[in-house]
Amino acid sequence: SQTIHQWPATLVQPVGSPLSLECTVEGTSNPNLYWYRQAAGRGLQLLFYSVGIGQISSEVPQNLSASRPQDRQFILSSKKLLLSDSGFYLCAWTLGDSTDTQYFGPGTRLTVL
Amino acid sequence: AQSVTQLGSHVSVSEGALVLLRCNYSSSVPPYLFWYVQYPNQGLQLLLKYTSAATLVKGINGFEAEFKKSETSFHLTKPSAHMSDAAEYFCAVSDPGSGNTPLVFGKGTRLSVIA
Repeated sequence: SQTIHQWPATLVQPVGSPLSLECTVEGTSNPNLYWYRQAAGRGLQLLFYSVGIGQISSEVPQNLSASRPQDRQFILSSKKLLLSDSGFYLCAWTLGDSTDTQYFGPGTRLTVL
Repeated sequence: AQSVTQLGSHVSVSEGALVLLRCNYSSSVPPYLFWYVQYPNQGLQLLLKYTSAATLVKGINGFEAEFKKSETSFHLTKPSAHMSDAAEYFCAVSDPGSGNTPLVFGKGTRLSVIA
């Protein structure tokens, strides 16, 4: 069966510090991968998605970036965090296109102070 | 372009009462429609999915939703609310012909269940 992992589960970082969040999927090959953010009271915002290794589509211009160094690994990064980067970050995968069910990871709670 | 509107950011019902969460969509083609649920501090999980087969879709935990093309709606219902149903619910729309274009999610509706 397929599983999706995210780490860390929680993170408290000072403004201006770097960020690296990792997402790994097990039990499948060539998934489509997604990064979402939930800020308080702002719903679910799609940040990046990837349909293959090295292929990243950005939905929202900001100080975050994403990389997919391996088939089942998706990394969200920042060189300098802003207060507005605080939120709940969710990774998700589908086997096919957007008509397929998305499976979400447990999330990372990021607080920028 | 597709869009989803969830009416009511917060809905409160009594335990045992009917749950009705509203979702209206906009799509130029027959869409696929989804309802996801998110419990506190967890990821989202699929409740149910409409794929142009039966218009009444049954999901997990006693939830169901009816696709009404004339009303462009896909409202989520449950006959009797349980305390465990307290969560945030998201409606989402996909265009079957759009390839890898991502799902479009609504802003979510938080359901509170009062004892």
